[in-house]
Order: sequence, then C-alpha cells, then structure tokens
Amino acid sequence: EIVLTQSPATLSLSPGERATLSCRASQSVNKYLAWYQQKPGQAPRLLIYDASNRATGIPVRFSGSGSGTDFTLTISSLEPEDFAVYYCLQRSVWPPITFGQGTRLEIK
Amino acid sequence: EVQLVQSGAEVKKPGESLRISCKASGYNFMNYWISWVRQTPGKGLEWMGRIDPSDTYSNYNPSFQGHITFSLDKSITTAYLNWSTLKASDTAVYYCARESFQTPMDNWGQGTRVTVSS
Repeated sequence: EIVLTQSPATLSLSPGERATLSCRASQSVNKYLAWYQQKPGQAPRLLIYDASNRATGIPVRFSGSGSGTDFTLTISSLEPEDFAVYYCLQRSVWPPITFGQGTRLEIK
Repeated sequence: EVQLVQSGAEVKKPGESLRISCKASGYNFMNYWISWVRQTPGKGLEWMGRIDPSDTYSNYNPSFQGHITFSLDKSITTAYLNWSTLKASDTAVYYCARESFQTPMDNWGQGTRVTVSS
C-alpha cells in the first residue's frame, strides 16, 4: 500500500498570502496524484488531478506540480473561502487507492 | 448537472445489517465507476472500493474485503453499500463518488452518517 505523507499538518496564513502544501509518496505514483479540498460538513471537492490538471470550475489560483514521489499544491493568493482541509490522493497503484492524512489551512 | 444523492443518516445496533444508497443523475451511469469512501476522525479518508456499472465488477480495499459488498440497480441508476453484520467500528460518514479511468473521484454525494451503537 502506498502511504502519502502531507506536510505541514497545519498551515496558518493570512488572506492574500501564498500557500504551499506538500504531499510525499512512499513510492512512485508517476503523475497519478490528485488534490481535494474539504470544508466542514461537506464532501471533498476535486481541485487537481494527474498532478497538475485543474478540475472543471477550479480557479486559476490553484495549481499543482510534481511527479514520482513529491508533489505540491500551491494557492497563489489566498481567498477567505480557501481556508479548509486539503487532501492528496494517489491512484497509481491500487487496490487500495490511498489518501494523505490532510493539511489544515487556517486563518492566521 | 451531475448529482449523487445519498440516503439519510442511520442508527443501528452491532450485528444488524444495513444498506445505504447513492442515486446518480445527470450523466451516463454506465460510463463511470462508483467509489465508496469512509471518513472517520481517527483514520481520515479511506477508499473502500469501487463498482463498475458496465459489468458490475467490484474492486475492494483489502482492509474492507469480506465485511462489505457493493451492488447496483441500473434501472434506477443507484449504487448501494451493504453490510450484513455491523460493528461499532463502522461508525463513520460514508461517501459515494463518481470516478473514471481518466479522472479520479470528481463528483461526490453529500455523505451518509452511520452510527453503530448498542
């Protein structure tokens, strides 16, 4: 099973700042990594798939990069609605598909 | 508009059976897998497995295999997650989500909260 490790666990930033979230895989997942955003009481929302492709309707301030074992989600300028929990997911080697443990992005 | 609408919250006792549902609309049901995801405070998000409506073939996460099953009613574009014997540790929120070979889970149901307690 591929283990995804996200860092940091919590990130405290202010609106307008740049956020950089990391996801590291225990073995290569090629490009098959996705990023999700989850707000309290809501289902996860797909932001990025195949490492760098924005999902339909996702603002351009969200971008993804990386391949192999190291991936980054960048939010170029934080909006108030971006404060949430972010998860990475790999589906390169399955079963099982696996999720990271999440990064909580909180308002500083 | 793509929609996945799940059945309501459930409260059950250990040992009981349960089936929760996920009604899909707004797209060709046969062209996308339905995945199921469990969320708990302790373990976060866990992929339980998926079912392919085109052939009803299922893939299970080994951690859940033998404890759950997936099923479909294609006539009403609905997928089901089934337990024959619930445990207290099944207490969680369960999500269904649409998935394809090209894209990971891109549309999700609203979640079904299951509470198992004596």
